[in-house]
Amino acid sequence: EIVLTQSPGTLSLSPGERATLSCRASQSVYSNHLAWYQQKPGQAPRLLIYGAFTRATGIPDRFSATGSGTDFSLTISRLEPEDFAVYYCHKHGVSPLFGGGTKVEIK
Amino acid sequence: EEHLVESGGGLVLPGGSLRLSCAVSGFSVSGYWMYWVRQAPGKGLTWVSRLDIDESITEYADSVKGRFTVSRDNAKNTLFLQMNSLRVEDTAVYYCAKGGIIHALDVWGQGTTVIVSS
Repeated sequence: EIVLTQSPGTLSLSPGERATLSCRASQSVYSNHLAWYQQKPGQAPRLLIYGAFTRATGIPDRFSATGSGTDFSLTISRLEPEDFAVYYCHKHGVSPLFGGGTKVEIK
Repeated sequence: EEHLVESGGGLVLPGGSLRLSCAVSGFSVSGYWMYWVRQAPGKGLTWVSRLDIDESITEYADSVKGRFTVSRDNAKNTLFLQMNSLRVEDTAVYYCAKGGIIHALDVWGQGTTVIVSS
């Protein structure tokens, strides 16, 4: 059974800084079916990235993602105030699975 | 525009049952993989179940297998989650979500809260 491990658990940064979040899978993710979601308190998650690197509709280009196989990352090039949230990686498709999340908080 | 609206949550005793509904608008529930995802208080996201386009194909997390059943009503364009033998650890916000391109969850409802407590 695949396990997705996200790191760090919490990232403390200032607006304008760059954020890099990691998601490591215990086994290779099929066809790079890896997504990233943003969740703010009291809200449903929002899809940011699917297929490891493709931005979802309406997602700003300061969000980018790379990776393949077992190692994936999400980068926010310059943090805007609205970007402080929890981010989850997700193996999508059959037998989906979420990582434990990374909280990006204001330093 | 595509929308999902969950309902049916509430307070239930351990061992009890609830049926969650997810009303779909803007697309056909029968045309996509549909998912239930839950989030326990203060915790992360956990996948619960998946319903394929072929509604005979379903998947469940081990924690709910044999207790929860996912289904849909095409005429009402609604997804359901029948939850039986509820446990305290099933307490969570339950979201329904649509599997879009390569089944990433591109549309989410606002969630409905289930509390299992005596």
